[in-house]
Amino acid sequence: EVQLLESGGGLVQPGGSLRLSCAASGFTFSSFAMSWVRQAPGKGLEWVSALSGSGGRTYYADSVKGRFTISRDNSKYTLYLQMNNVGAEDTALYYCATHAGIVVAPVIYGHWGQGTLVTVSS
Amino acid sequence: DIQMTQSPSSLSASVGDRVTITCQASQAMSNYLNWYQQKPGKAPKLLIYDASNLEKGVPPRFSGSGSGTDFTFTISNLQPEDFATYYCQQYDTFPLTFGGGTKVDIK
Repeated sequence: EVQLLESGGGLVQPGGSLRLSCAASGFTFSSFAMSWVRQAPGKGLEWVSALSGSGGRTYYADSVKGRFTISRDNSKYTLYLQMNNVGAEDTALYYCATHAGIVVAPVIYGHWGQGTLVTVSS
Repeated sequence: DIQMTQSPSSLSASVGDRVTITCQASQAMSNYLNWYQQKPGKAPKLLIYDASNLEKGVPPRFSGSGSGTDFTFTISNLQPEDFATYYCQQYDTFPLTFGGGTKVDIK
């Protein structure tokens, strides 16, 4: 059974940093591209970043480009999102999700974690 | 960027009703359009991929169609467990974008 477990969320001050993790199990992690998708409280879904199975190709939403970095450690079956210089607009529940295969496209999110909440506030 | 305009933003329906949700893309795109269901406090769940393909295990009362800029999601014979929020998502072009969501609640 595919399982994705996000962690690392919490309260962070504006301008601060946070690293999210997504621990995967139940599938061959390196064979699947992954994404981070976020959802602000009471709002819709927003794609944040995507990464190929090898880690060689990355994509970012304009809203996070230059501030967030997606990465993975295939030996640890873990996906990461390093968040720097955060602002109130980054407050959201952050989900990790699997793509359909090792390359980023097609972007069909077959499995999702339960999310980790990031709150940016002073 | 491709903007996805989803409508309506909410609707009220009864068990047994037929429900239709639309997503309009800001430019013509391939059929790289997925539909997800999200229940309160839960992660989204994939229902339809590539505009019209039913995900494995999803009941056939869910369906999708469309092409170009106009895509449609339909629930025939609405069931109690279908009351949720539905989102479209395009992957024709980066950045990936979602529609604003449609909340389906009980009339």
